[in-house]
Amino acid sequence: DAGVTQSPTHLIKTRGQQVTLRCSPKSGHDTVSWYQQALGQGPQFIFQYYEEEERQRGNFPDRFSGHQFPNYSSELNVNALLLGDSALYLCASSRGETGELFFGEGSRLTVL
Amino acid sequence: AQTVTQSQPEMSVQEAETVTLSCTYDTSENNYYLFWYKQPPSRQMILVIRQEAYKQQNATENRFSVNFQKAAKSFSLKISDSQLGDTAMYFCAFTTFPTGNQFYFGTGTSLTVIP
Repeated sequence: DAGVTQSPTHLIKTRGQQVTLRCSPKSGHDTVSWYQQALGQGPQFIFQYYEEEERQRGNFPDRFSGHQFPNYSSELNVNALLLGDSALYLCASSRGETGELFFGEGSRLTVL
Repeated sequence: AQTVTQSQPEMSVQEAETVTLSCTYDTSENNYYLFWYKQPPSRQMILVIRQEAYKQQNATENRFSVNFQKAAKSFSLKISDSQLGDTAMYFCAFTTFPTGNQFYFGTGTSLTVIP
């Protein structure tokens, strides 16, 4: 049973560029959430997707957008990258209202 | 506002000893879940233990147990018989139920188990 998988694991971008991060949820899960974890901090909620719709959004600017596909996989897009966007981006999947998140290993984004 | 506070940035414990990690939270909701997640150096977050707020009995999972004090909004994690593999960042988190989709995390406690 594959867990949550994310790609790429590491990437380096320059300011102003755009990035797309990908996530495949755990088998049987229909909900995908994205979190940003800055160095030395706890994860911060970006948004959650369910049934291909953004169900809830955290306090992140519109430069952060996402998508969920019919197979429940998801993408996180960040436009006009800033130095402050450097962080570990975590994808987490869940099913229904089980109250538990399963996390991937994350994508480490460095913005130069 | 929904917040989680972990006041111990770093802790250490001797192997086989017991350690307690502290967590306080703030929410106006009455129904919620509380969690402790472990993030080893390999980065993948793993659920350690969870507690439903409506349950008075403290959750236990093998060597891990919690002390849940709802009135005080306190949720501490006790690790018994500490093992080297317990070395990790530990995050306290909660989500409201049934309407909650967002998890709120603390800033974490870095635990080192000393041989």
